[in-house]
Amino acid sequence: GQSLEQPSEVTAVEGAIVQINCTYQTSGFYGLSWYQQHDGGAPTFLSYNALDGLEETGRFSSFLSRSDSYGYLLLQELQMKDSASYFCAVRDLEAAGNKLTFGGGTRVLVKP
Amino acid sequence: DTGVSQDPRHKITKRGQNVTFRCDPISEHNRLYWYRQTLGQGPEFLTYFQNEAQLEKSRLLSDRFSAERPKGSFSTLEIQRTEQGDSAMYLCASSSPLAGVTGELFFGEGSRLTVL
Repeated sequence: GQSLEQPSEVTAVEGAIVQINCTYQTSGFYGLSWYQQHDGGAPTFLSYNALDGLEETGRFSSFLSRSDSYGYLLLQELQMKDSASYFCAVRDLEAAGNKLTFGGGTRVLVKP
Repeated sequence: DTGVSQDPRHKITKRGQNVTFRCDPISEHNRLYWYRQTLGQGPEFLTYFQNEAQLEKSRLLSDRFSAERPKGSFSTLEIQRTEQGDSAMYLCASSSPLAGVTGELFFGEGSRLTVL
């Protein structure tokens, strides 16, 4: 089976930088995704890492280390609209299609 | 709007009743997924279709749950003899074959079920 661990909550002020760590255990790893979900909304895709290294998309970056079974999402120049839950998710080699297994989520609260 | 749509958005039912949710994926997406999410938790995988074929079912999906995708387009998720523990948000997602490269699923807004 698969399991993912991420912190449950992070609080930061506008303009700050937040790093959300995710460690995973899976029988056969294919890639790590990150999703954002505002209260009452649908999860929306942020990034995907299949190879080691850093992927940058605007203010958000995602990092993966396959040897350490570890990744993180970096939120820079925090804005109030970034207050949301962030989920890491793994896709493993044994999974059919693009089935993802999600972590429990990290609730990010941005304060003025 | 060409995103994933789900209906109904909210359903309140009494224990023991049957409920059915519908999902219309993005039209060119051949893969469709159902997830369940409870408050403060991440989405939990329920089942997956490629075209009309149901290729994987989670152990979470008891025999009271059934899903179909008869023509490889929309899908339905039926829960029979609902229990209070079935109260959750039921999320549908779809993906294209390109998701093998991008890893992206497109989620609908979900159908919230409350069992009294």
